[in-house]
Amino acid sequence: QLVLTQSPSASASLGASVKLTCTLSSGHSSYAIAWHQQQPEKGPRYLMKVNSDGSHSKGDGIPDRFSGSTSGAERHLTISSLQSEDEADYYCQTWGTGIRVFGGGTKLTVL
Amino acid sequence: EVQLVESGGGLVQPGGSLRLSCAASGFTVSSNYMSWVRQAPGKGLEWVSVIYSGGNTYYTDSVKGRFTISRDNSKNTLYLQMNSLRGEDTAVYYCAREKLAGSFLVGMDVWGQGTTVTVSS
Repeated sequence: QLVLTQSPSASASLGASVKLTCTLSSGHSSYAIAWHQQQPEKGPRYLMKVNSDGSHSKGDGIPDRFSGSTSGAERHLTISSLQSEDEADYYCQTWGTGIRVFGGGTKLTVL
Repeated sequence: EVQLVESGGGLVQPGGSLRLSCAASGFTVSSNYMSWVRQAPGKGLEWVSVIYSGGNTYYTDSVKGRFTISRDNSKNTLYLQMNSLRGEDTAVYYCAREKLAGSFLVGMDVWGQGTTVTVSS
């Protein structure tokens, strides 16, 4: 079964960096994923696609502070030089034929 | 400008029906995969349904047989017909474009602002 696992919460200080993790279920480590940001009271916003080889492609207008990487079945989203507007929920999402799956989301608090 | 605008949400009684619309601009709906995603109050994102550019449709198990995804190419609009609605269908419903780069999906790269569906007596 295709499942994505995320930690419910994370926190980091203003100006620091944070690395969020999304873990693919067993047998699905070759899957690409997408990261989405949802700021409070707003709709989701596409950030990037992260491939199994660690390459990533960002959406239009996504700042260089956002980057993606891979380690085995883990897909990472790193945000550097944290700003207050980065405080949001972050969801990973993947896909197969006829199925789409979201992780449970990570709530990022900027201290 | 690439944009998606949902409409059609509202308050409906259990067992009732509602049709959501998602009007697209700046791109062609039928050339992309298009999904509906929902978010119950205080919860995370949940995928509901997808329609492929070739017309194939797929649904999450909880809505199979009750919801129908479709599109009108002449209006460049995506729809979600929701029948036999239940309290657990209460959510904000988003439509999203799933962009293809060649034969590879890049993910849900454009989202609408959402429309709220409340199922309650």
